[in-house]
Amino acid sequence: AQTVTQSQPEMSVQEAETVTLSCTYDTSESDYYLFWYKQPPSRQMILVIRQEAYKQQNATENRFSVNFQKAAKSFSLKISDSQLGDAAMYFCAYRSPGFGNEKLTFGTGTRLTIIP
Amino acid sequence: EAQVTQNPRYLITVTGKKLTVTCSQNMNHEYMSWYRQDPGLGLRQIYYSMNVEVTDKGDVPEGYKVSRKEKRNFPLILESPSPNQTSLYFCASGPRGSNEKLFFGSGTQLSVL
Repeated sequence: AQTVTQSQPEMSVQEAETVTLSCTYDTSESDYYLFWYKQPPSRQMILVIRQEAYKQQNATENRFSVNFQKAAKSFSLKISDSQLGDAAMYFCAYRSPGFGNEKLTFGTGTRLTIIP
Repeated sequence: EAQVTQNPRYLITVTGKKLTVTCSQNMNHEYMSWYRQDPGLGLRQIYYSMNVEVTDKGDVPEGYKVSRKEKRNFPLILESPSPNQTSLYFCASGPRGSNEKLFFGSGTQLSVL
């Protein structure tokens, strides 16, 4: 079974600075998908970024980018120019490909605080 | 607007009193699933459904039931709730095999006293 580990329960960053959230995973599959979800105080689960394992290029979405290291099974999220609205719980998640259970396996989350 | 609607958002109940959390999606998705979120544990899958009348257990199914009589609805049933089922619950849906994102409901905070 796949597992996802987020080793930083809490992180903080000064507004406008850059922060990196760590995520590692364990799998025997060669093809899979990785996600970062943001959960603000409203509790809504918001997709931040998605990475396909067969793609070498790291995904980016505006101020959000990932460092995907397939051999090391690492998938970190970098937030540039941090804003107050980035304060949230961030979850890393893994998903197997195909037509089976579309289950997301989540990490335990990292709570990000933005310091004004 | 494409959405997954969960009700209620908050629920306080007592041990043993049957309850149902409703989930409905308007995107014609085949796949639907329930998760529970607990501090320090992240989100864990309870049950999932790949189509009407097709349901299966996830990682933590004990104490829960589901049904999928219609494509749009996927209720979560707690027949005899216990305090260890106090949690934040999420319903999610998505088209099968697309490998795109899942759409999440806004969550139901359940407290069992």
